[in-house]
Order: sequence, then structure tokens, then C-alpha cells
Amino acid sequence: GENVEQHPSTLSVQEGDSAVIKCTYSDSASNYFPWYKQELGKRPQLIIDIRSNVGEKKDQRIAVTLNKTAKHFSLHITETQPEDSAVYFCAARGNQGNLIFGKGTKLSVKP
Amino acid sequence: GAGVSQSPSNKVTEKGKDVELRCDPISGHTALYWYRQRLGQGLEFLIYFQGNSAPDKSGLPSDRFSAERTGESVSTLTIQRTQQKDSAVYLCASSTLAGASGELFFGEGSRLTVL
Repeated sequence: GENVEQHPSTLSVQEGDSAVIKCTYSDSASNYFPWYKQELGKRPQLIIDIRSNVGEKKDQRIAVTLNKTAKHFSLHITETQPEDSAVYFCAARGNQGNLIFGKGTKLSVKP
Repeated sequence: GAGVSQSPSNKVTEKGKDVELRCDPISGHTALYWYRQRLGQGLEFLIYFQGNSAPDKSGLPSDRFSAERTGESVSTLTIQRTQQKDSAVYLCASSTLAGASGELFFGEGSRLTVL
């Protein structure tokens, strides 16, 4: 089955700096890669996703890149703000339909 | 309802007892997922239902765990003979699209504490 590795597990940046979180996946058949944000004590929510026929997608300050050959994808957050502090999860979905998550990255943005 | 509803929100039980957790997905969502999240940890996949297809049970950690879903509606996750290591938040999510991309909408979770 699918296995998703996520790095780093914790990330601390200064407000205004950029943050990058990287994930690798094992199943070459996976074709959908979402990112979820979970604020403390709250449920995870989708922030951006990318499909396997696209190499990059951007939405305001966040962007995701996908390298299918290397089987890795990354989340980029620019001009970080304190409200970006949360745990971020990457995930991969294969043909079976189930969605497998990475272990998460705790991002702290210091004002 | 407007979102995914889970009950109970909190459950404290004694070791060895059985517990049942309930999930009401968003109406019309064909796919339903259960995940386990231990304190400060990631989202551990448990089971996935898609319409009338056989569920993907590959994430269930032991035969003490089982889940059912009636058609495309309510799902129940049952944990028999609970152990302290079962303590976690159990999250349910539903989505519209099966086997393809589709946003998962999560419930608030059921926090299980096994004493």
C-alpha cells in the first residue's frame, strides 16, 4: 500500500520568511496530493491540492509542486504570518481511493 | 446537516469494555473514512467505505476494531475489549468523489480515553 513520508516534523520561521515542507510517496499509481492544515484543537481542513497531470499550483501565498518521476511533492508558504502556525499534513491517494497522510509538520511562525 | 457529525464527542471507558463511535457524513457523500489521531501525532488511516463496494480495511490495527456503514449514510466504528493504547481522537471524514480527487470534510472527532 501507499506510504507517505513527511519532513521536517517541526519547523520554526520568523514572520515574513518562507516555509517549505516536503513529502515523498511510494505508490507510483497515486494521482492526487492534497495538503491539510490542522489548527490546535480543530479538525483538519484542505488548503490546496494538486493532481498528477500538473507540476505546480499556486493560491495566493501557498503553492505546491509535484515531481512524479521522483515521487515527491512540496508545500511552499511565502510571507508567513502568525496565523499560519499549525500542523500541516500532506497526503496521497491511489487508485484504491483511500487517502494516506504523512505524519505532519508543526509550523511555528514567530512574530 | 451541514457538516460531518460525530458522536460521542468524548468517551471515557474502562479497559476491557467495548465502545461504539458514530459518524454521520454529509448527505450525498459516497466516500467515508475513519482515521485515528493519537495526541500530537499524525492521521492514521483505519478504514475507507466507497458506496456499495467492499470497504478497504487495510488500516485496522487489530481484529478488535471493526466498522460498518449502512448504504451511503451512517457509519459506526466499534472497538472491542479496549486497551489504554486505543486512547486517541477518532476522526471521520466524507467526500463526494470516489477513486478520484475530492476534498475530505472532517468531523470534530470522538475523543476516546481508556482508563
